[in-house]
Amino acid sequence: DGGITQSPKYLFRKEGQNVTLSCEQNLNHDAMYWYRQDPGQGLRLIYYSQIVNDFQKGDIAEGYSVSREKKESFPLTVTSAQKNPTAFYLCASSPRGRKETQYFGPGTRLLVL
Amino acid sequence: QKEVEQDPGPLSVPEGAIVSLNCTYSNSAFQYFMWYRQYSRKGPELLMYTYSSGNKEDGRFTAQVDKSSKYISLFIRDSQPSDSATYLCAFASINSGGSNYKLTFGKGTLLTVNP
Repeated sequence: DGGITQSPKYLFRKEGQNVTLSCEQNLNHDAMYWYRQDPGQGLRLIYYSQIVNDFQKGDIAEGYSVSREKKESFPLTVTSAQKNPTAFYLCASSPRGRKETQYFGPGTRLLVL
Repeated sequence: QKEVEQDPGPLSVPEGAIVSLNCTYSNSAFQYFMWYRQYSRKGPELLMYTYSSGNKEDGRFTAQVDKSSKYISLFIRDSQPSDSATYLCAFASINSGGSNYKLTFGKGTLLTVNP
């Protein structure tokens, strides 16, 4: 089955801890994205990557970091600098030539202990 | 004026009703118009995609775009309980070089279809 997988489904973070959210796709899509979704706020773009070894900040990149070492993988690290990390995190990807259409993974819910 | 405004709902309708979901936008650079469906605690699913004014139909769903009024709508005919979800409108603009773009989402409308 082709698709986007995110793990874990739920993640708990302690104060001062960095945590990493996994995103993998086997759709052969070039571009990948990370969004944050808060109740009543819609989706906000954190980071995106159009090709391997390249990524750009989105609207709310502070307190987050990413890497894109492989086409299939785009992990997101929520650092201790992110003071309000509790949210639903969504990874997406889009095919070459169809950047405007994005396909989403199932999401990771991050909670702070 | 906000870049995208979406009727917040929530919207509750009986099974079989016609549902109308709406978004307005202010950015003239938007070239692509999407509707996503998101079930509770799941990722959004691309439902409809269009880039021109007019209507696009797919089964029970019709997407309508009016670029002159900066208004898009999603109509659901013969609504079913399985249509109960949050519906998100989304917009994309791509720069002249095609190398950079951004999706802008509405905040979503929660729809409940009652059996």
